[in-house]
Amino acid sequence: QKEVEQNSGPLSVPEGAIASLNCTYSDRGSQSFFWYRQYSGKSPELIMSIYSNGDKEDGRFTAQLNKASQYVSLLIRDSQPSDSATYLCAALLMYSGGGADGLTFGKGTHLIIQP
Amino acid sequence: EADIYQTPRYLVIGTGKKITLECSQTMGHDKMYWYQQDPGMELHLIHYSYGVNSTEKGDLSSESTVSRIRTEHFPLTLESARPSHTSQYLCASSELIGTGGDYTFGSGTRLTVV
Repeated sequence: QKEVEQNSGPLSVPEGAIASLNCTYSDRGSQSFFWYRQYSGKSPELIMSIYSNGDKEDGRFTAQLNKASQYVSLLIRDSQPSDSATYLCAALLMYSGGGADGLTFGKGTHLIIQP
Repeated sequence: EADIYQTPRYLVIGTGKKITLECSQTMGHDKMYWYQQDPGMELHLIHYSYGVNSTEKGDLSSESTVSRIRTEHFPLTLESARPSHTSQYLCASSELIGTGGDYTFGSGTRLTVV
């Protein structure tokens, strides 16, 4: 059973501070991890992907992966009110034959940036 | 500008009716997916396709069916709608090669069965 777990929040962060979002996954076979942002009433959009242990930075966003602990995180620096949204963590399991089915998503963490 | 289109955006329909949710993409993506999402809950994969004439069921058991006759088109059909089918249905697509998780989502269809 593939599971991706996230704290649903809400997580309230002052404007300009660092927002830290966390995610754990159950399937050790999962190889690729993704963070999607979903505004209320809208569809998810990809903001970060990470495949190797360590950190990956893209602008104000940093994704962190620790496969030994089965843990993924997303840091948002200099948080802005426009960052207020639900952040979905997702994992992709690659099978030995090279195929994969779809992403497994967590329930998401609702982030509120307070002006 | 959306490259993946879902219609209708909202649908209210009576129990027992047959419905088809449309999804089309103009990006030439081989992979397409249908997810179901209830408010405050995670997206559940119900169907996916890796190309024409390829369809697979996802993790969540669903009474719906899909077809993939053309690369750009991936409709989802419910033969007899029930109130338990009330949900948001999201269609997505991605390239066959690459990271495998870079999905483009459509705007979704919010289905209410009364």
